[in-house]
Amino acid sequence: GAGVSQSPSNKVTEKGKDVELRCDPISGHTALYWYRQRLGQGLEFLIYFQGNSAPDKSGLPSDRFSAERTGESVSTLTIQRTQQEDSAVYLCASRQGSGNEQFFGPGTRLTVL
Amino acid sequence: AQSVTQPDIHITVSEGASLELRCNYSYGATPYLFWYVQSPGQGLQLLLKYFSGDTLVQGIKGFEAEFKRSQSSFNLRKPSVHWSDAAEYFCAVVPFYNQGGKLIFGQGTELSVKP
Repeated sequence: GAGVSQSPSNKVTEKGKDVELRCDPISGHTALYWYRQRLGQGLEFLIYFQGNSAPDKSGLPSDRFSAERTGESVSTLTIQRTQQEDSAVYLCASRQGSGNEQFFGPGTRLTVL
Repeated sequence: AQSVTQPDIHITVSEGASLELRCNYSYGATPYLFWYVQSPGQGLQLLLKYFSGDTLVQGIKGFEAEFKRSQSSFNLRKPSVHWSDAAEYFCAVVPFYNQGGKLIFGQGTELSVKP
């Protein structure tokens, strides 16, 4: 595809429910990142995948957050037992293995009621 | 603590006026430096980046940025602002020691443009 895509674009859920957010990176990009953007704040790194290496999970805020990526394709970010403080825009980015620029998707706006 | 600081949360300029958005970082070694723009409802778009070499870098949409090692700064400039430049601007770094290339962002500066 032309760029990074994410789905859904918006998600409203009730506190305590689980949600899954999806990211389709640019074809051929080996690196994939998830970031979180809370209202009025900058982006926070969550997790990073590079090829078949073990992911860097150092930014995940709690064990309720997890992510998977199959090979160099789609990634899903799962938030279990959502809390109101999880409300944010979740952005995905991908990067070529030898490049330095990350290309961002449009994000998923998550609202936890 | 290591961080990226954008001192101005919100800036308003008149259309046609010049613009400078400030960014300071606190890392021991010079990191890779980036400016991104985020328009309402859009993802982030890279404006420009600095890795090494010439300290004045040119980007898209008429933006430029100057790296000043002595001030640990990477300020973004545009000589004449257009109404379409209204957006949120983020400075970001990849620290030298960062093996994974993960970006560390400033808090962002929201730019409003007056007609």
